[in-house]
Amino acid sequence: EDKVVQSPLSLVVHEGDTVTLNCSYEVTNFRSLLWYKQEKKAPTFLFMLTSSGIEKKSGRLSSILDKKELFSILNITATQTGDSAIYLCAVDLHIGGSNYKLTFGKGTLLTVNP
Amino acid sequence: DSGVTQTPKHLITATGQRVTLRCSPRSGDLSVYWYQQSLDQGLQFLIQYYNGEERAKGNILERFSAQQFPDLHSELNLSSLELGDSALYFCASSFQGAETQYFGPGTRLLVL
Repeated sequence: EDKVVQSPLSLVVHEGDTVTLNCSYEVTNFRSLLWYKQEKKAPTFLFMLTSSGIEKKSGRLSSILDKKELFSILNITATQTGDSAIYLCAVDLHIGGSNYKLTFGKGTLLTVNP
Repeated sequence: DSGVTQTPKHLITATGQRVTLRCSPRSGDLSVYWYQQSLDQGLQFLIQYYNGEERAKGNILERFSAQQFPDLHSELNLSSLELGDSALYFCASSFQGAETQYFGPGTRLLVL
């Protein structure tokens, strides 16, 4: 069975701290790994990673994938209260023919206190 | 705003009833995906449609069904509702089978 495991489940930090969120996976037919941020409602796309060792960066957020060790990390530097959200990791899997599906981890709840 | 719309925003109903959730994908997207999100299970993939045809199935119960219409909007039908069906139901869309899916605001279903 395909598994995506995120850690920690929950994290509370102060503004200005740096956080690292982890995502490990055990899947067959991996295509890519995606990070989403979910605030009050819909998950919003952050990054898609397909190759090992290449860092994706957007402002204070960055992410990297290790396809040998089967994990990814999401770093957030100089955290702000607006970073408070659930961060979801998803793995895109080939399920046959031209069909794919996303399998999500349960998420990490990040709370940034002022 | 992702461009994906879902109605209704909230739905309260009783056990045994049937409801229909609606989704309109982003302009140009042919693929629609349905997800269920509950506190204990996280975000679970239910089903995918591509240009009107079912493409992939996930953990969808037999009491649930979906379809995608010629104008590409989609409906998720939930019948014989149980208390455990209370959850957030998301629709997402993508261009063809692209990895990046864009999520709608969700429908919060409460079964009493």
